[in-house]
Amino acid sequence: GNSVTQMEGPVTLSEEAFLTINCTYTATGYPSLFWYVQYPGEGLQLLLKATKADDKGSNKGFEATYRKETTSFHLEKGSVQVSDSAVYFCALRQQGGSEKLVFGKGTKLTVNP
Amino acid sequence: NAGVTQTPKFRVLKTGQSMTLLCAQDMNHEYMYWYRQDPGMGLRLIHYSVGEGTTAKGEVPDGYNVSRLKKQNFLLGLESAAPSQTSVYFCASSYLKAGYSFEQFFGPGTRLTVL
Repeated sequence: GNSVTQMEGPVTLSEEAFLTINCTYTATGYPSLFWYVQYPGEGLQLLLKATKADDKGSNKGFEATYRKETTSFHLEKGSVQVSDSAVYFCALRQQGGSEKLVFGKGTKLTVNP
Repeated sequence: NAGVTQTPKFRVLKTGQSMTLLCAQDMNHEYMYWYRQDPGMGLRLIHYSVGEGTTAKGEVPDGYNVSRLKKQNFLLGLESAAPSQTSVYFCASSYLKAGYSFEQFFGPGTRLTVL
């Protein structure tokens, strides 16, 4: 079945450091890929998405490129801020029907001043 | 618009008690979902609905029931709560738009503890 694997956390960085959170997936067909962010005490919010191979999603300085050849969708940011501290979830949307999402386990990011 | 709201925010139950979690959305979305979030497990789908009057099982449906009598509401019921159901529960909704992927909008969550 479809699955998402993302790097284990937690990740701790200093402000202005470069961030990479790895995400790989297993799926049939051509899923859409998402990164969601969960700030402390809140629900999940969509951070960015990509719907087909080679698409790049971007938002708030974060980027991720849909790489079908490596089945990956790694999240990157060039210079993190304290306010980026959160849990990040990679997800894929299964084709057809219910439009269900399959989530990775989440990666907790802490950014220190 | 309030988006997706969940009631209650917190609840403590004793083993064997029952309760209902309410999810409401004011965005006229067709699809609604219930997830549970446990440490190190990510979000797992419990049940979902593709429209008023329809429900279907997700990844971890055992011990839960759902109903979607109105388009804007999606109820999650626990008939006989167990400690294994201690978790944070999230409701989400999404819209249908042919040819486009679309996001799920999440509620703020309900933290449930079963003693």
